[in-house]
Amino acid sequence: GQQVMQIPQYQHVQEGEDFTTYCNSSTTLSNIQWYKQRPGGHPVFLIQLVKSGEVKKQKRLTFQFGEAKKNSSLHITATQTTDVGTYFCAGRLGGTSYGKLTFGQGTILTVHP
Amino acid sequence: GAVVSQHPSWVICKSGTSVKIECRSLDFQATTMFWYRQFPKQSLMLMATSNEGSKATYEQGVEKDKFLINHASLTLSTLTVTSAHPEDSSFYICSASWVRNSYNSPLHFGNGTRLTVT
Repeated sequence: GQQVMQIPQYQHVQEGEDFTTYCNSSTTLSNIQWYKQRPGGHPVFLIQLVKSGEVKKQKRLTFQFGEAKKNSSLHITATQTTDVGTYFCAGRLGGTSYGKLTFGQGTILTVHP
Repeated sequence: GAVVSQHPSWVICKSGTSVKIECRSLDFQATTMFWYRQFPKQSLMLMATSNEGSKATYEQGVEKDKFLINHASLTLSTLTVTSAHPEDSSFYICSASWVRNSYNSPLHFGNGTRLTVT
């Protein structure tokens, strides 16, 4: 079954509002990656977090990896219509084979202008 | 760099026929490729891991005889949906890591193939 849980499933915001999606695992993750999938498109790699407590920023996007390496979050400040899409976290569970990622359910973000 | 090309982008076939989907790494060698299936507004479910020169590793619940995977070269993996049925209609996406033996490498996805079985 699904071992990487992501919430919320849907998020509707007005342009300019902030947005956060959360990812949780019942087991420790070796690392976690975040992907964005535009409607009708394919997932595109955004970032990877490896270290406990790591925080990385990409312009308006802030990514965090929990101290226990079991949770992560993606926060978008002042959303824009170009942020529309589905955001997936993907974690490598402890003991999994090389390259195998387990994806969260994804958060579908809608931004109203 | 790290471009993955998937073909075809969409295909419509009749029930009972077979469909082949190609996944190519254009500017790097991919010793390992991954095949995912995605239903509308749902997550990506890993179907199998394709290893160059060896048999694919299938995830639990995925029928090996129905979803044939071949990884004949370092740049090409194919997924053949045999005797397709309407329930096989889905979005199939391949991906590849370009860094060998590094579990920190990101995945680069193909554009996906939307299969509709009538």
